[in-house]
Amino acid sequence: ETGVTQSPTHLIKTRGQQVTLRCSSQSGHNTVSWYQQALGQGPQFIFQYYREEENGRGNFPPRFSGLQFPNYSSELNVNALELDDSALYLCASSLPLSGENRGETQYFGPGTRLLVL
Amino acid sequence: SQQGEEDPQALSIQEGENATMNCSYKTSINNLQWYRQNSGRGLVHLILIRSNEREKHSGRLRVTLDTSKKSSSLLITASRAADTASYFCATDALYQGAQKLVFGQGTRLTINP
Repeated sequence: ETGVTQSPTHLIKTRGQQVTLRCSSQSGHNTVSWYQQALGQGPQFIFQYYREEENGRGNFPPRFSGLQFPNYSSELNVNALELDDSALYLCASSLPLSGENRGETQYFGPGTRLLVL
Repeated sequence: SQQGEEDPQALSIQEGENATMNCSYKTSINNLQWYRQNSGRGLVHLILIRSNEREKHSGRLRVTLDTSKKSSSLLITASRAADTASYFCATDALYQGAQKLVFGQGTRLTINP
């Protein structure tokens, strides 16, 4: 167990709807990243949050947005859902880049499987 | 876009045999990591090897890194049924101030009892 939790575990939505996925980071980790994993593919970086600010974003449209809260928990919001948004959404927490650990290892939650019909 | 490519895409061996998976990547790296994923769930970190290291061991795992060839291999010795999973290599990349992991497509490993 990594100590990273995600909710819900599964979700079914229809095209055009909006969805919010939640993530609770491992204790002491102030950096959270979100990834999208399509079936049979490796995870793709969506964005990262550090101290409640977006810290970098992958090649995803603005309808993918996020929040990080003072307790370092995080949300991923997706608006105007499309069929191709069906995937496993993973969040990962890590220590900051500074310091001995350098935050290189990311600890993943179990994921939320989203199906868009 | 995917940075790394794992080879083979699928591997099926008998319990007790050794399993070797390879990963190639395209750009220079600070480190390379291997993760395991069971049944489409979360990824579990296995091992990290830095760009100035050539080989690293952790239990039954052995990872090598050849930066001149931009490739890495993961060896699992004395495989067990519980090792059945997908294995991903991931390289780190600093991107707009974020440290993101860039994954390959993975190797699906099946250990037959």
